[in-house]
Amino acid sequence: DTAVSQTPKYLVTQMGNDKSIKCEQNLGHDTMYWYKQDSKKFLKIMFSYNNKELIINETVPNRFSPKSPDKAHLNLHINSLELGDSAVYFCASSHEGETEAFFGQGTRLTVV
Amino acid sequence: KQEVTQIPAALSVPEGENLVLNCSFTDSAIYNLQWFRQDPGKGLTSLLLIQSSQREQTSGRLNASLDKSSGRSTLYIAASQPGDSATYLCAAQDRDDKIIFGKGTRLHILP
Repeated sequence: DTAVSQTPKYLVTQMGNDKSIKCEQNLGHDTMYWYKQDSKKFLKIMFSYNNKELIINETVPNRFSPKSPDKAHLNLHINSLELGDSAVYFCASSHEGETEAFFGQGTRLTVV
Repeated sequence: KQEVTQIPAALSVPEGENLVLNCSFTDSAIYNLQWFRQDPGKGLTSLLLIQSSQREQTSGRLNASLDKSSGRSTLYIAASQPGDSATYLCAAQDRDDKIIFGKGTRLHILP
């Protein structure tokens, strides 16, 4: 009965590859987010989706693209992976306007 | 199982006052502890991060302390301003990347 689940937990891939990280929430939330945890361990928001509309898009390279097939899913696609993309990526969800967000367990991406 | 608790749940203080937000965690085997700010309708903004080997971190008017042995962290805000009004969350991260959040403290600074 996991609330927010991400797959895979670990992902090792070569530079230049295209990869996806999946996220699903079963909480009935209408807003989902992707965060990147950089080498200094700070969480930085990348995207959020509310009712299939992108409402926050920080200065993220366009190689990163979120895709939401429905309210319960927000997948992160990354094209032409670079070494600097290595990080832990977290998915989260919440009700619109509420501050409590539920986080997935993180996906540790390593680009070699 | 890690549990993170924040007290108080809500706080209103006049502008200019110094204030302390509290965070406690049940499992001291943390990798780091972070404090975040969240504004309505927006995602989290990372404020301070304290590694498990550290005791405190400072950024501007903010100071966060960590006492692993007692399972506590505090966020000190000096000379509060109306722009500080937001929800503040603390989160403990373990070595397996898992992050456990508290439910936050809703802070309102009165002009």
